[in-house]
Amino acid sequence: EVQLVESGGGLVQPGRSLRLSCTASGFTFGDYAMSWFRQAPGKGLEWVGFIRSKAYGGTTEYAASVKGRFTISRDDSKSIAYLQMNSLKTEDTAVYYCTRDGRGGSSWYFDYWGQGTLVTVSS
Amino acid sequence: DIQMTQSPSSLSASVGDRVTITCRASQGISNSLAWYQQKPGKAPKLLLYAASRLESGVPSRFSGSGSGTDYTLTISSLQPEDFATYYCQQYYSTPPITFGQGTRLEIK
Repeated sequence: EVQLVESGGGLVQPGRSLRLSCTASGFTFGDYAMSWFRQAPGKGLEWVGFIRSKAYGGTTEYAASVKGRFTISRDDSKSIAYLQMNSLKTEDTAVYYCTRDGRGGSSWYFDYWGQGTLVTVSS
Repeated sequence: DIQMTQSPSSLSASVGDRVTITCRASQGISNSLAWYQQKPGKAPKLLLYAASRLESGVPSRFSGSGSGTDYTLTISSLQPEDFATYYCQQYYSTPPITFGQGTRLEIK
């Protein structure tokens, strides 16, 4: 059974950093691109960023709203994807979801989602 | 960036009704469209991709159609578990991935 479990969320002050982890199981993690999304309270879905599998170069893409502040990485040996969030702003407050690419490579639709982890940026 | 506009924003319907939700892209997206269902406090769930392909395990009462810029999600006979918020997502021109604003389907 495919499972994605996010962790690392919590309350953080503006300007500080936080790292989220997404631990995957039930599939060959290294074969899949992974993506992060977020959803502010009462709002819609927003794409945050994407990391390709090593077979596709392992490269990353980011939304304009987080580019230069957030970094996605992966450790295929541990089946974990990371979202490093620096210089956090109050508008980054959201539930963050980790997702798996629907076809492995870069289909850019997402067939499995984690349960989400809440990040609250507040002083 | 491609903008996605869903309509209606909210919808009230009864069990057994046929419901259609529309998603319009700001430019043609060649069927590169996915639909997701999200229930309160839960993660989104993939329903369809490539505009009309049903994800494994999704009931056949869900269907998708469309072409060019205009796409629809249809639920043929609403069931109690279908009351949720639905989002469309384009993946024709990425990055970025863009979503519609969501359609909240409520019980009448």
